[in-house]
Amino acid sequence: AQTVTQSQPEMSVQEAETVTLSCTYDTSESNYYLFWYKQPPSRQMILVIRQEAYKQQNATENRFSVNFQKAAKSFSLKISDSQLGDTAMYFCAFMKHGGEYGNKLVFGAGTILRVKS
Amino acid sequence: EAGVAQSPRYKIIEKRQSVAFWCNPISGHATLYWYQQILGQGPKLLIQFQNNGVVDDSQLPKDRFSAERLKGVDSTLKIQPAKLEDSAVYLCASSVIIGQTSTDTQYFGPGTRLTVL
Repeated sequence: AQTVTQSQPEMSVQEAETVTLSCTYDTSESNYYLFWYKQPPSRQMILVIRQEAYKQQNATENRFSVNFQKAAKSFSLKISDSQLGDTAMYFCAFMKHGGEYGNKLVFGAGTILRVKS
Repeated sequence: EAGVAQSPRYKIIEKRQSVAFWCNPISGHATLYWYQQILGQGPKLLIQFQNNGVVDDSQLPKDRFSAERLKGVDSTLKIQPAKLEDSAVYLCASSVIIGQTSTDTQYFGPGTRLTVL
């Protein structure tokens, strides 16, 4: 079974600064996806960024980027130029690749990020 | 494009009562997921449907939880009888199948917050 661990229950950052959220995972699968989801106080879960395990290049989406270390099973999220709207719970999630019908997401416990003005 | 719809947004019941939640996925999305998110934890998959068939219900407490997706579109999740530990947010998500290949992106609804007193 896969497990996802987020060791930082809460983080805070000043507006315009950079912050990094940590995530480690455990799996015996060789092909999989990793995700960061954002859940603002309104509770709508929104996909922030995704990474395919077979790709060595780290994914980037505007101010969001990841540091994917496959051997270390580490998948951190860096948010640059933090904005007040980034305040949310951030979940790291794992999904094994393949399967005709799609696969479930396995989530970490989440990290609350507070951006301060 | 309309997102995943869920109702009700909030529900408060007494223990041993029954409750039902409704989800309407994004149009054309064949795969539908129900997740349970207990306060302070990441979401956990309860059940996954492909069209109107169950793909994975291994973590569904079948003695009290049931779910159906009769016409392969919207879905209902029921709890009967409810226990205190069922207090949680119930999230519905959907994803699309392209040809015979699953896609990895799941789109989430706003969730239903259940409080069992």
